[in-house]
Amino acid sequence: DAKTTQPNSMESNEEEPVHLPCNHSTISGTDYIHWYRQLPSQGPEYVIHGLTSNVNNRMASLAIAEDRKSSTLILHRATLRDAAVYYCILRDPYGGATNKLIFGTGTLLAVQP
Amino acid sequence: NAGVTQTPKFQVLKTGQSMTLQCAQDMNHEYMSWYRQDPGMGLRLIHYSVGAGITDQGEVPNGYNVSRSTTEDFPLRLLSAAPSQTSVYFCASSYSGYNQPQHFGDGTRLSIL
Repeated sequence: DAKTTQPNSMESNEEEPVHLPCNHSTISGTDYIHWYRQLPSQGPEYVIHGLTSNVNNRMASLAIAEDRKSSTLILHRATLRDAAVYYCILRDPYGGATNKLIFGTGTLLAVQP
Repeated sequence: NAGVTQTPKFQVLKTGQSMTLQCAQDMNHEYMSWYRQDPGMGLRLIHYSVGAGITDQGEVPNGYNVSRSTTEDFPLRLLSAAPSQTSVYFCASSYSGYNQPQHFGDGTRLSIL
């Protein structure tokens, strides 16, 4: 499975946008980019996923570089509830176990009031 | 809608004891899986199931057994607990298909003395 690289931690202020980067220079043409987040003392929660085009949903936006070697998760207005560990995960539809998620250590996002 | 329910939430065992961690989902999901999360690390896949009667090993299966007799339930058994199995255990479920979002339970915090 292709590897992702994320900063260990980031800080943001409440009600400001947050851009969480992810590098995946060895991404294959069939890998989808998924984001999950884990709030304190909870299980991970699905945020968003995409392949090539930018994606939006009620939680966030995903911006994917044209060469697909990097992507950015965008939280448009951070709230205190968005403080969590954010995981960027590549999923290969043709690789081994269906639905298998390989988690790295993610980015710990702190949101200041 | 309960989602993914894990029981118990906390458990303390002595070395050599056995126990079963329960996981149940009410979303009629075909795919279920177990992960463990150790301090400072991402989640690691223990076992998974793509449907009733079908299970397979993940990244760290040693010391754990699973079975899937119904769509709803996917219990994880520790046959002879060891201190190295002290961890937080998460169960997840999803519809089949590599891009289906996975739904996680809130975890079982297990300490083995």
